[in-house]
Amino acid sequence: DTGVSQNPRHKITKRGQNVTFRCDPISEHNRLYWYRQTLGQGPEFLTYFQNEAQLEKSRLLSDRFSAERPKGSFSTLEIQRTEQGDSAMYLCASSLGVAGGQNTQYFGPGTRLTVL
Amino acid sequence: LAKTTQPISMDSYEGQEVNITCSHNNIATNDYITWYQQFPSQGPRFIIQGYKTKVTNEVASLFIPADRKSSTLSLPRVSLSDTAVYYCLVAEAGNTPLVFGKGTRLSVIA
Repeated sequence: DTGVSQNPRHKITKRGQNVTFRCDPISEHNRLYWYRQTLGQGPEFLTYFQNEAQLEKSRLLSDRFSAERPKGSFSTLEIQRTEQGDSAMYLCASSLGVAGGQNTQYFGPGTRLTVL
Repeated sequence: LAKTTQPISMDSYEGQEVNITCSHNNIATNDYITWYQQFPSQGPRFIIQGYKTKVTNEVASLFIPADRKSSTLSLPRVSLSDTAVYYCLVAEAGNTPLVFGKGTRLSVIA
């Protein structure tokens, strides 16, 4: 399977704990996006990378959230001091990221976080 | 805010053709129209993308009028497994973060 993969698929944690999620994009894709989705809503943009550079962060990304893509391949999203409001599905997507053309974003299966 | 407007929900019987229309009055010259399908507890799945006129693939057809202010996703002969939320988005060739609305919840009934 050469699609976007995410691990873990599910994470249950207690309030105040730190959690880290991993995303492996499609291998030749330069752009990697993180989104968050709560029940009944569409996905909301958090941040994205062009190779290893983090290009944009949403205002939703509080200072408890940090994302990295150290070698321009996989990415991690860390949430420190989790709160119950962080409970959501965290989605990763990747695209070719080339100028012009159709850079379709392909999504992974998501990581569902439950904060108790 | 999402740049698109689509019905909140639709119902259809199995075997029928379903057309979901999306309005995007402020679409920009460089924007493409993209549709995703999402099942519960899964990530959105790309269905189809187009810029103008008609695009068809093995799953669906996308009709875009000349003014590009709306588009219609057509699903031929739906089955129960097509029950999902369908999102219509416009974005500059996918090179920008996607802005999702609430989508259209399609329920296919036997």
